[in-house]
Amino acid sequence: AQSVAQPEDQVNVAEGNPLTVKCTYSVSGNPYLFWYVQYPNRGLQFLLKYITGDNLVKGSYGFEAEFNKSQTSFHLKKPSALVSDSALYFCAVRELSGGYNKLIFGAGTRLAVHP
Amino acid sequence: DGGITQSPKYLFRKEGQNVTLSCEQNLNHDAMYWYRQDPGQGLRLIYYSQIVNDFQKGDIAEGYSVSREKKESFPLTVTSAQKNPTAFYLCASSPRQREKKLFFGSGTQLSVL
Repeated sequence: AQSVAQPEDQVNVAEGNPLTVKCTYSVSGNPYLFWYVQYPNRGLQFLLKYITGDNLVKGSYGFEAEFNKSQTSFHLKKPSALVSDSALYFCAVRELSGGYNKLIFGAGTRLAVHP
Repeated sequence: DGGITQSPKYLFRKEGQNVTLSCEQNLNHDAMYWYRQDPGQGLRLIYYSQIVNDFQKGDIAEGYSVSREKKESFPLTVTSAQKNPTAFYLCASSPRQREKKLFFGSGTQLSVL
């Protein structure tokens, strides 16, 4: 079965500093990887995805993610953090099972950006 | 959240009561999903459906039931058999292709009285 792990419950960063939210994956075959963000009492919003191609994927709100096959990682990054980036971030992998698609999520990482 | 409507936003369940959470989408998506979110546990898949009149159990289907009579609707019933129903419930939809992203509703917070 496919899975993703987010090793950090919380990441703290000062506004203006670069941020990284970590994600590692375990899949059979080629991974389809996603990042989503959740603001309080809201649904999840799509940030970016990796399907194939360039290992550096650019997404919404200035976020990007780097796919590293040798380290089985898909870390989310942003060069300069904003206070408004404070939210819950989820890494996810697409699983194909018996012809059905579903998304498997990590436990989430809370990002706190301090002024 | 555009295109997927979940209602109600807050729901309270009495002991032994079944409650139904509504999810409607106008995105013409084939696939729909229900996830449960508990603090510190991320999202866990309850049920999913790829087409009308077909659905599959996810990882935590016990105590829940669904129907998919229309493409745009995928209601979730939390039955009395679900002993710990307090959670935030999220509905999502996507086109059938596996590389396509999920679109999420704004969620329903279910609590037990």
